[in-house]
Amino acid sequence: AQSVAQPEDQVNVAEGNPLTVKCTYSVSGNPYLFWYVQYPNRGLQFLLKYITGDNLVKGSYGFEAEFNKSQTSFHLKKPSALVSDSALYFCAVRVESNSGYALNFGKGTSLLVTP
Amino acid sequence: DGGITQSPKYLFRKEGQNVTLSCEQNLNHDAMYWYRQDPGQGLRLIYYSQIVNDFQKGDIAEGYSVSREKKESFPLTVTSAQKNPTAFYLCASRGLGHYEQYFGPGTRLTVT
Repeated sequence: AQSVAQPEDQVNVAEGNPLTVKCTYSVSGNPYLFWYVQYPNRGLQFLLKYITGDNLVKGSYGFEAEFNKSQTSFHLKKPSALVSDSALYFCAVRVESNSGYALNFGKGTSLLVTP
Repeated sequence: DGGITQSPKYLFRKEGQNVTLSCEQNLNHDAMYWYRQDPGQGLRLIYYSQIVNDFQKGDIAEGYSVSREKKESFPLTVTSAQKNPTAFYLCASRGLGHYEQYFGPGTRLTVT
């Protein structure tokens, strides 16, 4: 089954420091991977995706993610964290069936950026 | 959240009552999805629909029902058979040829 895992429930980082939110995947075939962010009591916002091509993917709000096939990872990164980046982050992988496509999500990682 | 609306934002029901959550999109997307979110469990897929008048069960479809009579609408009914209906429900849509899904603002359902 196609799945992703987020090994950290919470990540704490000081404002201005680089941040990394980890995601590993388990898929058969080529992985289609996504990152979303959720602010309290809101829907999810799409940040970026990896389909094919460059291993470093750039997305919204200064975020980027590095696809690493040998380590089966797709970590989310940002060079300099902002307090406003504090939110819940989800990694997801596309799953395909005879009926179409859906996403399997990780359990989420809560990011806290302190001033 | 733009382009996908869910109403109401908060919904309260008594145990044993069916309740229908609304999801509308004006993005002309073909595919629509319903997810349930519980603390610490991420998002779990309830139902999805790739085209009008067709839908498939997701991982946790028991106790839920959907319809897709119009391209822009995908209502979810939480029936009395759903044992733990209190949760945050998220609707999403995806355009043909696109990979990412776009989410509505969610409906928080509380059943007492």
